[in-house]
Amino acid sequence: DAKTTQPNSMESNEEEPVHLPCNHSTISGTDYIHWYRQLPSQGPEYVIHGLTSNVNNRMASLAIAEDRKSSTLILHRATLRDAAVYYCILTQGAQKLVFGQGTRLTINP
Amino acid sequence: DAMVIQNPRYQVTQFGKPVTLSCSQTLNHNVMYWYQQKSSQAPKLLFHYYDKDFNNEADTPDNFQSRRPNTSFCFLDIRSPGLGDAAMYLCATSRLPRGYEQYFGPGTRLTVT
Repeated sequence: DAKTTQPNSMESNEEEPVHLPCNHSTISGTDYIHWYRQLPSQGPEYVIHGLTSNVNNRMASLAIAEDRKSSTLILHRATLRDAAVYYCILTQGAQKLVFGQGTRLTINP
Repeated sequence: DAMVIQNPRYQVTQFGKPVTLSCSQTLNHNVMYWYQQKSSQAPKLLFHYYDKDFNNEADTPDNFQSRRPNTSFCFLDIRSPGLGDAAMYLCATSRLPRGYEQYFGPGTRLTVT
């Protein structure tokens, strides 16, 4: 499975945008970029995914570099409830998720 | 609401005493997964069922087994729990081949005494 590299932790302030980076230099042409997050004491939850084009949904936006070797998850206006571990995962579908260590996001009030 | 349900949320067992964790889903998804998440670590896939086909990960210990009697239920059996098996066990589902998202349950936290 292609690997991803994320910062161990990030911190932001409430109501400000948050940009969570992910490097995936060995991504293959058929790998989708998925983001999941895990709130404290809960199971992971799907956030967003994309292949080549930038994607938006009600939770976040995903910006994918033109060469696809990196991507950025954007939370447009962070709230305290967005404090979680965010995982960037490459997968060719929903079949197997190989979680890396993720980025622990802290939101300051 | 359609969801993934795990019971119990907390389970305590004794060293070497078999234990079974259960997962049920109302999503009618054809794939069910079991992940193990140890403290301060990321979830790690143990195995999954694609319909009735069982798919074991290469590094999953033989101590861990699974059963899926029907579409809705899946069980994780730990035959002889050791102290190192204390962890959160997460069940997830997805619909393949066209689905792209896994839906996770809240997990069962297993303590081994």
